Amino acid sequence: DAKTTQPTSMDCAEGRAANLPCNHSTISGNEYVYWYRQIHSQGPQYIIHGLKNNETNEMASLIITEDRKSSTLILPHATLRDTAVYYCIVRAMDEKLTFGTGTRLTIIP
Amino acid sequence: GAVVSQHPSRVICKSGTSVKIECRSLDFQATTMFWYRQFPKQSLMLMATSNEGSKATYEQGVEKDKFLINHASLTLSTLTVTSAHPEDSSFYICSAFGGSDTDTQYFGPGTRLTVL
Repeated sequence: DAKTTQPTSMDCAEGRAANLPCNHSTISGNEYVYWYRQIHSQGPQYIIHGLKNNETNEMASLIITEDRKSSTLILPHATLRDTAVYYCIVRAMDEKLTFGTGTRLTIIP
Repeated sequence: GAVVSQHPSRVICKSGTSVKIECRSLDFQATTMFWYRQFPKQSLMLMATSNEGSKATYEQGVEKDKFLINHASLTLSTLTVTSAHPEDSSFYICSAFGGSDTDTQYFGPGTRLTVL
């Protein structure tokens, strides 16, 4: 059963911020929000994860709503190399990663 | 992040033969590794959890006698597709928790298997 809902596809202009939404209305208190991306014909790449607080690293920022029912992954300055399928995954520490269908993000020159 | 490698990156074999895929953790030890399969235009599906020194745990619907997993060391897990058939053609990907970063799984680059 899918724990997350993501748009099927999105476009973003090169150089602009890409904001990818994810709904996880049934998230439990011990479940983290993980983001991975998969560039065509490669293994998934870890981006970021968080529990309650917003997180930022060199790749992206993760904004989690106060009720934790949704989150947004932000790529601050999208480049053509950011074109990929982005997966939002909800997972407790002792659980397996279950991939949904993700969002296909296309960066437009 | 932690680095996971796979070998080979792609393999073509004849129907009925067996193919071995290796998954290595390069800069950390991994007591647990995971094997996924991905068909074209589909998402990743977990096949099995590979445990160092013990038997693998297979997901429902995955034939353990067809997909043999061996995790003989803390840095190497192998997946052998036995008696491969064209329907086994897929992208096989392994992952492991990243050493000191026990919260996060890191993935290998994948192995493209084509069975003729």
